Amino acid sequence: EPEVTQTPSHQVTQMGQEVILRCVPISNHLYFYWYRQILGQKVEFLVSFYNNEISEKSEIFDDQFSVERPDGSNFTLKIRSTKLEDSAMYFCASQRDRSYEQYFGPGTRLTVT
Amino acid sequence: KNEVEQSPQNLTAQEGEFITINCSYSVGISALHWLQQHPGGGIVSLFMLSSGKKKHGRLIATINIQEKHSSLHITASHPRDSAVYICAVRSSFGNEKLTFGTGTRLTIIP
Repeated sequence: EPEVTQTPSHQVTQMGQEVILRCVPISNHLYFYWYRQILGQKVEFLVSFYNNEISEKSEIFDDQFSVERPDGSNFTLKIRSTKLEDSAMYFCASQRDRSYEQYFGPGTRLTVT
Repeated sequence: KNEVEQSPQNLTAQEGEFITINCSYSVGISALHWLQQHPGGGIVSLFMLSSGKKKHGRLIATINIQEKHSSLHITASHPRDSAVYICAVRSSFGNEKLTFGTGTRLTIIP
């Protein structure tokens, strides 16, 4: 059964460094998302991506964040200058089309020291 | 903005018990998801529903659109059902993003 994959599973970085989190969505899916979950808190929406552009972003998704789908398969989230408060689990999700179910990747645990 | 509330926050039960987890939301939705999150952190989709009832094995999910309420039931609960169960809703106003509840931590004791 097709699944969403994410790499790395765990990333440790120093404050101020750039990180790129990678996701491979399910191949025939059209909608892509990044969510994050700070330890002990609920999952929060970051950004949605459709037709090669951002369709919606949350207040969290400021200028330090960017997303890209560089080669038609990977979907990446970049954080330019990480802060301690960026430490969280980041989930990628993909969706076949409008009104379909979202499928989640296993997550990348980002630790900023 | 949709507020999603779940109850209870924590639930401990004996193996074999019938489990009910509730979810209520404040604004009209196009769909509601029930998700399962294990200690390792990964999220698995259990159900997506927009009306009525769905059943998969020992899991049953129901939704009442008029009352803005959904329930997840687990029959004949088993220790392997121990996980965090999360309700998430998709707005009826065109965008597809999910808004999540805080989750219910379920522990089934053998």
